[in-house]
Amino acid sequence: SQQGEEDPQALSIQEGENATMNCSYKTSINNLQWYRQNSGRGLVHLILIRSNEREKHSGRLRVTLDTSKKSSSLLITASRAADTASYFCATDRGGGYNKLIFGAGTRLAVHP
Amino acid sequence: DTEVTQTPKHLVMGMTNKKSLKCEQHMGHRAMYWYKQKAKKPPELMFVYSYEKLSINESVPSRFSPECPNSSLLNLHLHALQPEDSALYLCASSQDEGRANEQFFGPGTRLTVL
Repeated sequence: SQQGEEDPQALSIQEGENATMNCSYKTSINNLQWYRQNSGRGLVHLILIRSNEREKHSGRLRVTLDTSKKSSSLLITASRAADTASYFCATDRGGGYNKLIFGAGTRLAVHP
Repeated sequence: DTEVTQTPKHLVMGMTNKKSLKCEQHMGHRAMYWYKQKAKKPPELMFVYSYEKLSINESVPSRFSPECPNSSLLNLHLHALQPEDSALYLCASSQDEGRANEQFFGPGTRLTVL
């Protein structure tokens, strides 16, 4: 079962623009991770943010986490056509097992 | 080597067939996972192996039978599947299951059940 929702479901932007995707979840978490999936292929880990962290950066990616609102956002700055993919948040509720529950995902299209 | 490999890439099988999906990693990871992903949906966890022992079975029907012969290999044996089992099957691994860490995914096997 899905832990939460992502919005928007789909996002279409031009190269150079910023893309923001949001993720909400329902239960308390140990950490939240973001993954990218190119069409019909495996997922690639982008970034992990722990429940005691509020913001994290990695290259053109910025992730925020608000545990009081049970939400996270992923910002991709200066987007490129190669960023076209589906983006999923995944929550880990802790307690061992590294059991990830994925959100519904956002399909991002970046047009040249 | 930071790669998870999966074979075959594509598989078409009838409802009476028996087939197996294979997954391999050489990163020394001790946790391995099977996920099922339907089109335009997120991956759904099926099984977790930790140190070659099954630690999570997410109420998966018995027509799916996982096996972990050693720390590098993970198999998923398929028998008497239904057309609704058609999906992308993803394997993943992580350093272990006890700490927060990223999962490395293979490219998946696209399964079609006729």
